[in-house]
Amino acid sequence: DAGVTQSPTHLIKTRGQQVTLRCSPKSGHDTVSWYQQALGQGPQFIFQYYEEEERQRGNFPDRFSGHQFPNYSSELNVNALLLGDSALYLCASSFDRGGETQYFGPGTRLLVL
Amino acid sequence: QKEVEQDPGPLSVPEGAIVSLNCTYSNSAFQYFMWYRQYSRKGPELLMYTYSSGNKEDGRFTAQVDKSSKYISLFIRDSQPSDSATYLCAMNSDTGFQKLVFGTGTRLLVSP
Repeated sequence: DAGVTQSPTHLIKTRGQQVTLRCSPKSGHDTVSWYQQALGQGPQFIFQYYEEEERQRGNFPDRFSGHQFPNYSSELNVNALLLGDSALYLCASSFDRGGETQYFGPGTRLLVL
Repeated sequence: QKEVEQDPGPLSVPEGAIVSLNCTYSNSAFQYFMWYRQYSRKGPELLMYTYSSGNKEDGRFTAQVDKSSKYISLFIRDSQPSDSATYLCAMNSDTGFQKLVFGTGTRLLVSP
């Protein structure tokens, strides 16, 4: 049973560029959440997707947007990159019916120069 | 004030020691409590998942939740060097649907 997968594993961008990160949820899961983890900090919630719609959003600017596809996979897009966007971006999947918590992928490490 | 407070450590112990990791929180709506283990440059791995107050044991790991004190703990018995990692507490008010709120993480170092 494949767990949560994310691509790419590492990415280097320059300020002002745009980036797209991808996530495939654990088999049987239909909900995808995205988190940002700065160095030495706990993950911070960005947003959650269910049934191809953004269901809940954390305290992140509109530069952060996402999408969920019919196969439940998801993308995170960040526009106009800032140095402060450098972080580990984590995708977590869960099953909306409840009874389970969120399982995380290995993350994408983004460095903005 | 952060919703979840966790001592960042590092916490250094010898192999075989009992380790106690703790978090406090301020939101009384939290019902679900989790502990994740994160190795350097990896994603968090779910260790323990507890609903409401009480204890839960899984092998060398025991999770405790005291909702009256808004305090949760993770105990690791017979600690091993392979337990060296960052331990993150997380919580939410409704499993699956709601965002997880994390502590900063405590870095644990177990020396042989």
